[in-house]
Order: sequence, then C-alpha cells, then structure tokens
Amino acid sequence: DIQMTQSPASLSASLGETVTIQCQASEDIYSGLAWYQQKPGKSPQLLIYGASSLQDGVPSRFSGSGSGTQYSLKISSMQTEDEGVYFCQQGLKYPLTFGSGTKLEIK
Amino acid sequence: QVTLKESGPGILQPSQTLSLTCTFSGFSLSTYGMGVGWIRQPSGKGLEWLANIWWDDDKYYNPSLKNRLTISKDTSNNQAFLKITNVDTADTATYYCARTSFITMMVLIWWYFDYWGQGVMVTVSS
Repeated sequence: DIQMTQSPASLSASLGETVTIQCQASEDIYSGLAWYQQKPGKSPQLLIYGASSLQDGVPSRFSGSGSGTQYSLKISSMQTEDEGVYFCQQGLKYPLTFGSGTKLEIK
Repeated sequence: QVTLKESGPGILQPSQTLSLTCTFSGFSLSTYGMGVGWIRQPSGKGLEWLANIWWDDDKYYNPSLKNRLTISKDTSNNQAFLKITNVDTADTATYYCARTSFITMMVLIWWYFDYWGQGVMVTVSS
C-alpha cells in the first residue's frame, strides 16, 4: 500500500496569512493526489485533484503543487471559513489511501 | 446537482452483518466513468477507503477488509450498497459514500472523490 504522510499535524494561522500543508507519498504517485477539507461535523469536500487542478467552486486562494512523492496545499490568505481538517489522498493505486490529516485553526 | 445520502442500521451487535445503502441523484452508475466509493471515519480519526464500484460493475476492495466486504449497485434505482460481515467494535465509525471520478494522463489513471454524502454513524456494541 502507498503510505501518505502529512505535516504538520496541526497549525494555527492569522487571518490573511499564507498557509502550507505538506503531503509525502511512500512512492512516486505521478501527481495522482487530491486534497480535501473537512469542517467539524461535516463530510470532506474536494479542493484539489491531479495535484494542482482546482475543483469547481473552490476559492482561488487554494492551490496545489508538487510531483513525485512530495506535494503541498497552499492557502494564500487565511480566512475564518478555512478552519478545519485537511486530508491528502493518493489516487494512483488501489487501495486508495489518505493522509492522517492537518488541523488548521485561526490564531 | 449531485447528491448522495447514506443509510444504515445505526447500532448493531458484534458478529452481525452491517448493511449500508447509498442513494444518489444527479448522475448515473450506468454512465461511462462513474463510480461510487465507501469511506469510513472513526470519531476524531482519519479516513479509511473501503471499496469502490464502477459503471461497468468493476469492483475494488481494501485488502485489509476484503474478505468481509461486498459492494454492489442497483443502477435503475440509483443506489449503491456495502455489506460488512462479522463486525466488531473496531467497525464503529461514520460511513460515507462518495461519487468517484477519474482523470487520465497518458497511461495513468487518477481516482478521486468529488461529491460526498453527509455520512451515517454506525455503532457496534454488545
């Protein structure tokens, strides 16, 4: 199975700050990476797929990048509504696997 | 508008079989490229993919639970199903169904979940 390691496990950011979350795969996943946001009590929502493609309706302050085994999610200007837990997921091989999540809070 | 909604028993006892239903609208599981997956999340923990079924009835299972899982679909009623046999307390979680899409890049295929249901809580307790 492909293991997905996310960092940091948690972070706090001020309004307007740029935030970066990292995800490392245990092998090359050739940009087959998706990012999800989960707010308390809600289901995950797709933000990014194919490592860098923005899902329809997702604000442009979210962006994804990376290749090989290293990927990142960037929020260019932290907003109150961005609080939540962020998960990465590799979509290259079954079994599909998720990172353990990064909890993002407002400072 | 794509929507999905899970339903299940709520509570069941160890060794029983968990039966989950995903009722969806806005897409068809008879359309090329469409799939439905099941993912679960124990309270306060991460996400675990369980199984996927595709428009062509292709099925994939998480090997860690494969012998206990059965995924199926009813295309005419826009439903997908998941059965988990011989449950125990470790199966207590919120279970989500999600539409699965894929993109291709040369010889590669990447799968991702673009629409999720609200989730259904399942508790296994004696």
